[in-house]
Amino acid sequence: GNSVTQMEGPVTLSEEAFLTINCTYTATGYPSLFWYVQYPGEGLQLLLKATKADDKGSNKGFEATYRKETTSFHLEKGSVQVSDSAVYFCALSLLFNDMRFGAGTRLTVKP
Amino acid sequence: DAGVIQSPRHEVTEMGQEVTLRCKPISGHDYLFWYRQTMMRGLELLIYFNNNVPIDDSGMPEDRFSAKMPNASFSTLKIQPSEPRDSAVYFCASSPNIGGPYEQYFGPGTRLTVT
Repeated sequence: GNSVTQMEGPVTLSEEAFLTINCTYTATGYPSLFWYVQYPGEGLQLLLKATKADDKGSNKGFEATYRKETTSFHLEKGSVQVSDSAVYFCALSLLFNDMRFGAGTRLTVKP
Repeated sequence: DAGVIQSPRHEVTEMGQEVTLRCKPISGHDYLFWYRQTMMRGLELLIYFNNNVPIDDSGMPEDRFSAKMPNASFSTLKIQPSEPRDSAVYFCASSPNIGGPYEQYFGPGTRLTVT
């Protein structure tokens, strides 16, 4: 079935460190890929998305590239801030009803 | 737009009581989803609606759970009777029917505690 696997957390970094959160997917067909972020006490918010191979999604300094050959969509940021502390979810969608979320990775950034 | 609205934000109830969670989707969105989030099981899809019609309720844990969408701007998730293991954060999300790539917009969630 369609699914995503993301690196387990928690991840703890110092401010201005480089961030990578790995995400790989399994899907029949050509899914759209997403990263959502959940801040404490809030719902999930779309961070970025990519709809086809080699697309790069970007937002707020975060980037992820849709790699069909490695079935991956790794999230990266060159310099994290304390305000980036949150839980990050990788997800894929083939149809409206078929959004599959990863388990989430908790990121803590220390000053 | 105000985004997806959920109420209440917090609910504490005793085992055996009926609980009703409410959701107002974003205007114009044809899809509405109910999720449950726990530490142990992560984010689980419970049920989703298209144009007010329930399409897939296979994620609803048992008959104690029911969901309705009487019109395009309102949905409820009811638990009767509630049990301590129902304690979780319940999210409502909505999605437009056109345009793609089918991203979902989440509400702030209702934190349910059953004692």
